[in-house]
Amino acid sequence: AQSVAQPEDQVNVAEGNPLTVKCTYSVSGNPYLFWYVQYPNRGLQFLLKYITGDNLVKGSYGFEAEFNKSQTSFHLKKPSALVSDSALYFCAVRDMGSGGYNKLIFGAGTRLAVHP
Amino acid sequence: SQTIHQWPATLVQPVGSPLSLECTVEGTSNPNLYWYRQAAGRGLQLLFYSVGIGQISSEVPQNLSASRPQDRQFILSSKKLLLSDSGFYLCAWLSPGGSYTFGSGTRLTVV
Repeated sequence: AQSVAQPEDQVNVAEGNPLTVKCTYSVSGNPYLFWYVQYPNRGLQFLLKYITGDNLVKGSYGFEAEFNKSQTSFHLKKPSALVSDSALYFCAVRDMGSGGYNKLIFGAGTRLAVHP
Repeated sequence: SQTIHQWPATLVQPVGSPLSLECTVEGTSNPNLYWYRQAAGRGLQLLFYSVGIGQISSEVPQNLSASRPQDRQFILSSKKLLLSDSGFYLCAWLSPGGSYTFGSGTRLTVV
């Protein structure tokens, strides 16, 4: 079965510094990987996805993620963090369940705190 | 454009009462629809998914059920709520481009 792991419960970054939120995956076949962000008491917002092609994927709000097949990682990055980036971030992988139905499997989430 | 609506936003229900949460999508047809639950503000657990009217797949055994009476309507229900049913419930649909779009969620508190 497909799975993703987010090894950090929380990441603390000073505003203006680069940030990285880590994600590793375990899949059979080619991975379809996603990053979502959640603000308090809100639904999830799509940031970016990797399906195929360039290993560096650019997404919303200045975020990007690097797909690394050899390390089975898909870390989320941003060159300069903003206080408004503080939120809960989820890595996810698409799983083709029995019968060929798509479903999204999420990591446990990483809370990003950006300090002024 | 495609949109997804979920209501109510907040719900407080006593133990043993019934539940009905509704999710509808607009601007698409025959979408794949999903119900997720988020407990304690962290990980999301897939509860149900549906690929068409009347077609429901359950991911985990539980006190909840789902139905899809119309193409763009997905309902999460319970006959008798438990305290453990408290959580944040999210509906989602799979767009043709391969991305999942989520509703704004329902905060359910069972008291």
